[in-house]
Order: sequence, then structure tokens, then C-alpha cells
Amino acid sequence: KNEVEQSPQNLTAQEGEFITINCSYSVGISALHWLQQHPGGGIVSLFMLSSGKKKHGRLIATINIQEKHSSLHITASHPRDSAVYICAVRSGGNNRLAFGKGNQVVVIP
Amino acid sequence: DAGITQSPRYKITETGRQVTLMCHQTWSHSYMFWYRQDLGHGLRLIYYSAAADITDKGEVPDGYVVSRSKTENFPLTLESATRSQTSVYFCASSENPDRWGDEQYFGPGTRLTVT
Repeated sequence: KNEVEQSPQNLTAQEGEFITINCSYSVGISALHWLQQHPGGGIVSLFMLSSGKKKHGRLIATINIQEKHSSLHITASHPRDSAVYICAVRSGGNNRLAFGKGNQVVVIP
Repeated sequence: DAGITQSPRYKITETGRQVTLMCHQTWSHSYMFWYRQDLGHGLRLIYYSAAADITDKGEVPDGYVVSRSKTENFPLTLESATRSQTSVYFCASSENPDRWGDEQYFGPGTRLTVT
């Protein structure tokens, strides 16, 4: 079983809709990362968090350490939000990241 | 240019040939990483390096060789390419993964096809 599970694997939304994608992990972590990968593109870091909530523009990331779960919310979604969103976790004392398989998000105009 | 770069961006090679993928970063980050990305899998770590002349295996190291003679460069060599090594390869760097707040910065990727 993968250390990091993401759901849903694929999501299609209409422009303007509120989107939620999820990440669950099975190990104790020191940090969780949300990354974004556009089609054919590179990978950029959106958030790094270890507790609570972070907001950047229309993106909100939350984490519940007790439940080993994180969500990434996209408000007022736009076609440019179409991308693969990757969740990665760093276990305490480990200098490596464990990655989920990604959430493929498509926003239709 | 500042940042992390990879070359080539696209490569087609034949089975059995040796291929080297280059990675260069300008931040003087201590750590560098090589990942491969395949459909149905998350990013998988091939090798990483904590400093010049220090390298270590990741999750899927077989068939790959790395070196790190200079801090800024971390080449990945496929000694005898196989079709199963067709993938997109990402290089990444970070300053200090042991420090909270450390982030990894990814290169643009190299799409490798082995025929």
C-alpha cells in the first residue's frame, strides 16, 4: 500500500465551481507538500504545511494531523487550474519525500 | 539563468545505448534528487545526493548511475538503456531537508524514450 493516497484520481469541474481534492497518508510526518504540474510542464510547489490551514489566492490547503489527512480546495475554479495536483509527505527524520500518484483536475470553460 | 535546469529536454535512444541526463542548479543547494514519473505511479526517487561526492540510492536505482563531483551538477546515466526506462525524469534540489520549511525545487523534466 502506498504511503500516500490521493482522491479522486480524476476530477472534472465547470468553471467557477468549488473543488476539493484529498490526500491521506499512513505515516507520521513532519511536513506535507502540495505540488502542481501543468500538462507537459514542470512541477511547482504550492504549499508546505504541518498544521492548520494555508491560503494563497484561490487555493486553500488544510491538514488534520490526527486524521492523517489533507485537503486542497480551489475556489472559483478556472480553466488555468487544470493540472495534476501532487501530495507529498516528509516523515520525521527523513530527508526524502513520499509522493502520491496525483489528482488530475480538469476545469471546463 | 538562476534556477534548476535539465538537458536535454527530449531524448530518443535505442535499447542498449548509454544515455546521460544533465541537471544543473545555481542555488548551491546541498541536496539534489533524481525522480522518474510514470503513468500509474507517483514520482519515484532514483538517487539522491546530500553533497558533492555523496550519493545514495532511492527507491528505484537499478540500471542508473549518478555522480556529483561539483555541488551544482548531478548527472544521471543510464548505462545500457532499456524500454522500461522510458519515462519523464525530474531533477530537484533543496537546501536542507532536515530543516523544517525546506522545499524541493524541480527542474523542467526530461522526456526519455527508449526504442
